[in-house]
Amino acid sequence: GQNIDQPTEMTATEGAIVQINCTYQTSGFNGLFWYQQHAGEAPTFLSYNVLDGLEEKGRFSSFLSRSKGYSYLLLKELQMKDSASYLCAVRDSNYQLIWGAGTKLIIKP
Amino acid sequence: DAMVIQNPRYQVTQFGKPVTLSCSQTLNHNVMYWYQQKSSQAPKLLFHYYDKDFNNEADTPDNFQSRRPNTSFCFLDIRSPGLGDAAMYLCATSRDSPDRVYEQFFGPGTRLTVL
Repeated sequence: GQNIDQPTEMTATEGAIVQINCTYQTSGFNGLFWYQQHAGEAPTFLSYNVLDGLEEKGRFSSFLSRSKGYSYLLLKELQMKDSASYLCAVRDSNYQLIWGAGTKLIIKP
Repeated sequence: DAMVIQNPRYQVTQFGKPVTLSCSQTLNHNVMYWYQQKSSQAPKLLFHYYDKDFNNEADTPDNFQSRRPNTSFCFLDIRSPGLGDAAMYLCATSRDSPDRVYEQFFGPGTRLTVL
């Protein structure tokens, strides 16, 4: 079966750095997405990785290793507004998007 | 601003009473999706339209139907809502093509309550 694993919940301190990991087992791979979802709101796109390596976008970076079936989202200089769920999603060989359940990130002052 | 719009934002219905949720987009994207998301769970894909081609997920209950009368609009019909259908329903769009993958843009969602 197809599976995406992320930690259920993480806690970090305002101003710090946090890394949210995602491992996946899918039938084929056509890219990995990270989305941010605030409570009661819709997901918003953060990043897309299709090749190995690091993609940096402001305070957020996303890393991919296809051989390991692994990605992480790195958030720097954490702000209170970063408190949200972060969802990892993988496009498989049929171009279906397989979603993880999300990691709830709690930021403390 | 180009966007994905869902109406209503909150919908309350009675057990067994049909309900229709609507979605419209000004992005002119060729693909539209309907997801069901329950608290602390991953979004679950119900249907998607690739242009006019309708794709029904294998485990989507028959109780759920969808219509896409044109590029801009898509509807989700729940024929006989049960208590287990209470959830957030998310509409999303993308401009997928066979040789390129794009991100999905989500509407704000409709939160369905079944009494």
